[in-house]
Amino acid sequence: AQKITQTQPGMFVQEKEAVTLDCTYDTSDQSYGLFWYKQPSSGEMIFLIYQGSYDEQNATEGRYSLNFQKARKSANLVISASQLGDSAMYFCAMRGPEGANNLFFGTGTRLTVIP
Amino acid sequence: SAVISQKPSRDICQRGTSLTIQCQVDSQVTMMFWYRQQPGQSLTLIATANQGSEATYESGFVIDKFPISRPNLTFSTLTVSNMSPEDSSIYLCSVGTGGLTDTQYFGPGTRLTVL
Repeated sequence: AQKITQTQPGMFVQEKEAVTLDCTYDTSDQSYGLFWYKQPSSGEMIFLIYQGSYDEQNATEGRYSLNFQKARKSANLVISASQLGDSAMYFCAMRGPEGANNLFFGTGTRLTVIP
Repeated sequence: SAVISQKPSRDICQRGTSLTIQCQVDSQVTMMFWYRQQPGQSLTLIATANQGSEATYESGFVIDKFPISRPNLTFSTLTVSNMSPEDSSIYLCSVGTGGLTDTQYFGPGTRLTVL
């Protein structure tokens, strides 16, 4: 079964600094996908970035990058140049076992950006 | 990405009543899912909404409590039946095209409070 672990319940970062949000996973699948979502206080889930298990390069999307270490089964999200609007919950997720289409989510990390 | 809307955005309901939540997508999508997010918790999949057939429910969720319809490829409803305060959650629909690299996009969510 899939398992996603986010060990940081809360993180603080100074505005304009970079921050890393940790995510480790476990799966018996050979091929899998990892996702990061942002959930502001409004409740919507905003897709940020995707990493495929066979992708040779770490994914990047603007200020977001994913530090993917397959051997360690980690997929950490790096946010560069933090902005006040980055304050939100961040969830790591992966697709269900054996290619199932639903997503399994971690418990999330609450990021607070300090002016 | 698809534009997804949900109605209502929030509601306060009395115990014992039922609420139907609508999810509308601006384009045809293969996969539609319903998730629940209890207060302070992560997202849990309720069911996969199948077009023209019965939904596929996850363990712990039953059709009598959470009936789901999906009459076409752009619309689905989730009903929360015979509500109790424990049903107070954010309910989110998500859509995708299926496949390992598919990204799921979420609607804005419905924030339900049961008194």
